[in-house]
Amino acid sequence: QQQVKQSPQSLIVQKGGISIINCAYENTAFDYFPWYQQFPGKGPALLIAIRPDVSEKKEGRFTISFNKSAKQFSLHIMDSQPGDSATYFCAASNVLGGATNKLIFGTGTLLAVQP
Amino acid sequence: DADVTQTPRNRITKTGKRIMLECSQTKGHDRMYWYRQDPGLGLRLIYYSFDVKDINKGEISDGYSVSRQAQAKFSLSLESAIPNQTALYFCATSRSGSHEQYFGPGTRLTVT
Repeated sequence: QQQVKQSPQSLIVQKGGISIINCAYENTAFDYFPWYQQFPGKGPALLIAIRPDVSEKKEGRFTISFNKSAKQFSLHIMDSQPGDSATYFCAASNVLGGATNKLIFGTGTLLAVQP
Repeated sequence: DADVTQTPRNRITKTGKRIMLECSQTKGHDRMYWYRQDPGLGLRLIYYSFDVKDINKGEISDGYSVSRQAQAKFSLSLESAIPNQTALYFCATSRSGSHEQYFGPGTRLTVT
């Protein structure tokens, strides 16, 4: 129940296209859903995050869509650029439950944007 | 920037050897974490510490130990390294009350 399932494992998108990465969770106590971006040779860095009280959050070309009833959330990258090529991790945490700031990470998606 | 640093960045060691990975931070954060990253498995939490006197096991703590020497320093030890501990290890920090974690650049460990 603590797992966060992420798909696809890898994704190839043409420049200017839309990249979509999906995550699903089981634990209904999760109330914080961040996405982290990791470039080769670097540690992950927070990209964007959402709380379940909203269905969508947008920051520039990056949008999180959240479906509470389906227990799913996704990252959309609009107008994908070669510089977006990286590994993306979704994660989940139970913030209001006492929280420990512990993040449960998905397995990662390797995105390649072809010029 | 080098707010969270990890040493060494790369290490090759032999089975049975003791090894220590070190993490230092200048962010002033009270919370620190150790993760390992394996292809297809994502990031898994090994240990976490909310302050110098508070250390907790994560989901995969077996075979590892940690030491929080100061607020800014958190070390991970493998007492007797084995090949399936070959992985990329990340240290992370966060401030209490904030959900964002800041990761170091990672240590690539190979156990032969």
